[in-house]
Amino acid sequence: AAGVIQSPRHLIKEKRETATLKCYPIPRHDTVYWYQQGPGQDPQFLISFYEKMQSDKGSIPDRFSAQQFSDYHSELNMSSLELGDSALYFCASSITGTGNEQFFGPGTRLTVL
Amino acid sequence: DQQVKQNSPSLSVQEGRISILNCDYTNSMFDYFLWYKKYPAEGPTFLISISSIKDKNEDGRFTVFLNKSAKHLSLHIVPSQPGDSAVYFCAGREGTYKYIFGTGTRLKVLA
Repeated sequence: AAGVIQSPRHLIKEKRETATLKCYPIPRHDTVYWYQQGPGQDPQFLISFYEKMQSDKGSIPDRFSAQQFSDYHSELNMSSLELGDSALYFCASSITGTGNEQFFGPGTRLTVL
Repeated sequence: DQQVKQNSPSLSVQEGRISILNCDYTNSMFDYFLWYKKYPAEGPTFLISISSIKDKNEDGRFTVFLNKSAKHLSLHIVPSQPGDSAVYFCAGREGTYKYIFGTGTRLKVLA
């Protein structure tokens, strides 16, 4: 069965650089979520999109932005990277109305040097 | 402000016995609760959920209990198997598109 695809799987950037993370949800899923998980921490909800519109916002810094495109894939753009942005970034997708079980991708590990 | 708390960072259980993972929450607006299992280098995998209007949901070896008055839920795994060794997260759903995760409990099932 198709799963959530995230790219790249690993990314190394320098401070003050920008990064773009991509997420391809499971086909026919209408909602995409982004999470940030720091070392030894719980996944922190960043932002979600339903049918290409932003639906909810969590603890996403102003330096980050995200969007969902017409083909339902989503991108998380991160600018002016800081050391503290080093984390695992998960994308998840779901179908509204099915109990909202989220299906997570394998994550992108971002390291900021 | 941690809205979902898993106070036990780790738990060890003998194979075949029951594993009980606990979760406390503070947000009364949660309408769904979910449990996820996570292996290293993988994304969380959905296990089981429960609506806030129910007090029990069962799926095979996994049962989730919800005590709304105590703002407490628990996941029971019976019988525990070595393959169940992972980090378990509980999460509460606020609104339709926002989920708040707990801090996780690392379960180790001993053969």
